[in-house]
Amino acid sequence: AQKVTQAQTEISVVEKEDVTLDCVYETRDTTYYLFWYKQPPSGELVFLIRRNSFDEQNEISGRYSWNFQKSTSSFNFTITASQVVDSAVYFCALSEARDYKLSFGAGTTVTVRA
Amino acid sequence: DAGVTQSPTHLIKTRGQQVTLRCSPKSGHDTVSWYQQALGQGPQFIFQYYEEEERQRGNFPDRFSGHQFPNYSSELNVNALLLGDSALYLCASSLASGYETQYFGPGTRLLVL
Repeated sequence: AQKVTQAQTEISVVEKEDVTLDCVYETRDTTYYLFWYKQPPSGELVFLIRRNSFDEQNEISGRYSWNFQKSTSSFNFTITASQVVDSAVYFCALSEARDYKLSFGAGTTVTVRA
Repeated sequence: DAGVTQSPTHLIKTRGQQVTLRCSPKSGHDTVSWYQQALGQGPQFIFQYYEEEERQRGNFPDRFSGHQFPNYSSELNVNALLLGDSALYLCASSLASGYETQYFGPGTRLLVL
């Protein structure tokens, strides 16, 4: 069963537009971690954020912000005032209790046009 | 602070051959995980090594095997290559705890002809 669902396959925006990436997860554990990674064309996965299941505080880091809602099992990611350098594939991932692996979603390709 | 390194960057093999991929973890990390990423998909967990032992394995056949050395570096071996093994192989390192953030290397692109 898919544990992490990223329903948006591709998003294309013009520079300076805001972009919101959806992530819905499924777990029976009460303790778990959620992650977002960015994969530019070079291929390397770049860590962006980690959030534990007990911390529903939203977070802002520069132009990036994250909205974690346990009630809807969602961990959405917003890029404000997008730039061409934001073009990449973005992955949401889940790590469950007593499980050492990351379960990734299928990814969302973001293209920012100048 | 050196990040995760992987070698080689690219590799071309033919069906039936064997391949070895290498990974050096980020400085201070003792745990290495391997993932396979097929084109257009998210990474899939192969296995994780800690203290030179395979600690957890994903849903991959026995053709996929690994090793971790005393300096925490790791190898991924794939025997009897199939066309479907063509993918980007990503290595990630972390600290031992299960919830520690995994940091990824640049990957090895394997093409099986």
